[in-house]
Amino acid sequence: AQSVTQPDIHITVSEGASLELRCNYSYGATPYLFWYVQSPGQGLQLLLKYFSGDTLVQGIKGFEAEFKRSQSSFNLRKPSVHWSDAAEYFCAVVGNSGNTPLVFGKGTRLSVIA
Amino acid sequence: SAVISQKPSRDICQRGTSLTIQCQVDSQVTMMFWYRQQPGQSLTLIATANQGSEATYESGFVIDKFPISRPNLTFSTLTVSNMSPEDSSIYLCSVDQRGNQETQYFGPGTRLLVL
Repeated sequence: AQSVTQPDIHITVSEGASLELRCNYSYGATPYLFWYVQSPGQGLQLLLKYFSGDTLVQGIKGFEAEFKRSQSSFNLRKPSVHWSDAAEYFCAVVGNSGNTPLVFGKGTRLSVIA
Repeated sequence: SAVISQKPSRDICQRGTSLTIQCQVDSQVTMMFWYRQQPGQSLTLIATANQGSEATYESGFVIDKFPISRPNLTFSTLTVSNMSPEDSSIYLCSVDQRGNQETQYFGPGTRLLVL
């Protein structure tokens, strides 16, 4: 069965510092991978996705993620965090065979301090 | 990308009552999903709703408690029946846009508090 692990429940970074949120997945084949962000009181917004090809994908708001097959990881990064990035971040996976729903990690809450 | 709206955006309900949540999409989609997000938790899939067929429920969720309708390719409803405080959650509608790439988009969610 597919599963997603986000080892960090809560991370605090200073504004302007770099950020890396970890995500590991378990799946029999190469899945499709996603990062979503949920700001307080808001719905989920898609940050970026990986299907195939270049393993470094760029997303919105200056985020990027790198797919590493050997490590079954899809970590999210941002070189310089802004206060508005404080939110809950969810990594998700779906099988590439079609007609299957997303499986989400438990999320990482990001706090940004001045 | 699909634009998804949900009604109501939030509600406070009494124990034992039922609430129907509506999900409207601005384009025709094959698959719609309903998720629950309990306070401080991740998203859990309740069911998958395809137009013209019965919804498929995940383990732990039953039709009597969460009946779903999918009358056409742009609309779905989820009813939370005989509510208890444990049903207090955010309920999110999601659609899957098939094609060359598969991406799920989410509605803004319905925040439900059961007293």
